[in-house]
Amino acid sequence: ELKVEQNPLFLSMQEGKNYTIYCNYSTTSDRLYWYRQDPGKSLESLFVLLSNGAVKQEGRLMASLDTKARLSTLHITAAVHDLSATYFCAVPPNSGGSNYKLTFGKGTLLTVNP
Amino acid sequence: DTAVSQTPKYLVTQMGNDKSIKCEQNLGHDTMYWYKQDSKKFLKIMFSYNNKELIINETVPNRFSPKSPDKAHLNLHINSLELGDSAVYFCASSQYARTSGGNEQFFGPGTRLTVL
Repeated sequence: ELKVEQNPLFLSMQEGKNYTIYCNYSTTSDRLYWYRQDPGKSLESLFVLLSNGAVKQEGRLMASLDTKARLSTLHITAAVHDLSATYFCAVPPNSGGSNYKLTFGKGTLLTVNP
Repeated sequence: DTAVSQTPKYLVTQMGNDKSIKCEQNLGHDTMYWYKQDSKKFLKIMFSYNNKELIINETVPNRFSPKSPDKAHLNLHINSLELGDSAVYFCASSQYARTSGGNEQFFGPGTRLTVL
């Protein structure tokens, strides 16, 4: 059974600082997704990482994927208050069939303080 | 234009009642999902339909019955509601492709169900 672990689960940081959220998963998969959820809102897709070594950047967020290490990172640069949210990584199975379900990490609640 | 929509947004009901949640997507996707998010924000898939065919049916009480009248709609009916059913239910959709791993999922706004 695929297991997805995120850490830290809670992250309180100062504006302007840098930090990294880690996502480890237990079985082979060649892609990974990052989502953002604001309180009381839906999940918004942030990054789709489709292969080993994939790196994507959007504003102050950068995500990378190492499929051999079964690890993805979400790096935050010079945090601002607007980045406060819960961040989820999600991993699909490696099979090519239509039995396609995402296994989500428990989420990282990020709070950026002034 | 709303891509994935759900109704109702909030649902408050008594234990033992039966209720339904509706989901519609206008993205032209062929696969739809129901997820449950509990009070600790943990997300777990419940069901998935591909072209109206049930393809994922996780360990969910049989009081939960999904129905997909066409590939743009996926409804969730819940019988004999229990306190533990209180959660946020998200619908999602994606377009299946025959490559390893599948496709990006887009989520609806969620339905917050409270069972009293």
